[in-house]
Amino acid sequence: AQSVAQPEDQVNVAEGNPLTVKCTYSVSGNPYLFWYVQYPNRGLQFLLKYITGDNLVKGSYGFEAEFNKSQTSFHLKKPSALVSDSALYFCAVRVGNTGGFKTIFGAGTRLFVKA
Amino acid sequence: EAGVVQSPRYKIIEKKQPVAFWCNPISGHNTLYWYLQNLGQGPELLIRYENEEAVDDSQLPKDRFSAERLKGVDSTLKIQPAELGDSAVYLCASSAGTSGGEETQYFGPGTRLLVL
Repeated sequence: AQSVAQPEDQVNVAEGNPLTVKCTYSVSGNPYLFWYVQYPNRGLQFLLKYITGDNLVKGSYGFEAEFNKSQTSFHLKKPSALVSDSALYFCAVRVGNTGGFKTIFGAGTRLFVKA
Repeated sequence: EAGVVQSPRYKIIEKKQPVAFWCNPISGHNTLYWYLQNLGQGPELLIRYENEEAVDDSQLPKDRFSAERLKGVDSTLKIQPAELGDSAVYLCASSAGTSGGEETQYFGPGTRLLVL
């Protein structure tokens, strides 16, 4: 079965420290990988995606993610966390072909950044 | 550019009552999605439209849920009758183009449904 795992329900980090939110996947074929952020009572906001090319992808708000094919991972990173980064983060994988694609979301990781 | 618009934002109903949610996608986006998000979980697809055609409704509980996108723009998702377990956030998303897997989905703020 195809799946996305976010192994940490919660990540705590001090403001100014680097942060990592982990994501691993198990799918057939070559996936397209996405990260979204969700603030309270809001929809998901797109952060970044990996389609092809350079394994390091840069996105919104200073976030970046590294695609690692051998480890089937797509961890989200930021060099210096802000209190305002506190939110719920979702990793997503799109799999399929020209006949149709399906998006599989992870369960989410809640990030707390302490001042 | 306006984002995905959803209404209402919140809805409280009693079980067995009908309820409807409305979504207006980003202008020009051909593909529209309805997702269900339970508390503490990621979104799960209910139905995907490409223009006015429902191309993936395999996860839609068709005994009580229905959806339509008559002119390939706005969409309505209906539940009749609602059950206690339907309490969740219903998200609408849209993306440009069809069939390609790399396009980004843009989400609306969601409708939070509480069934009493």
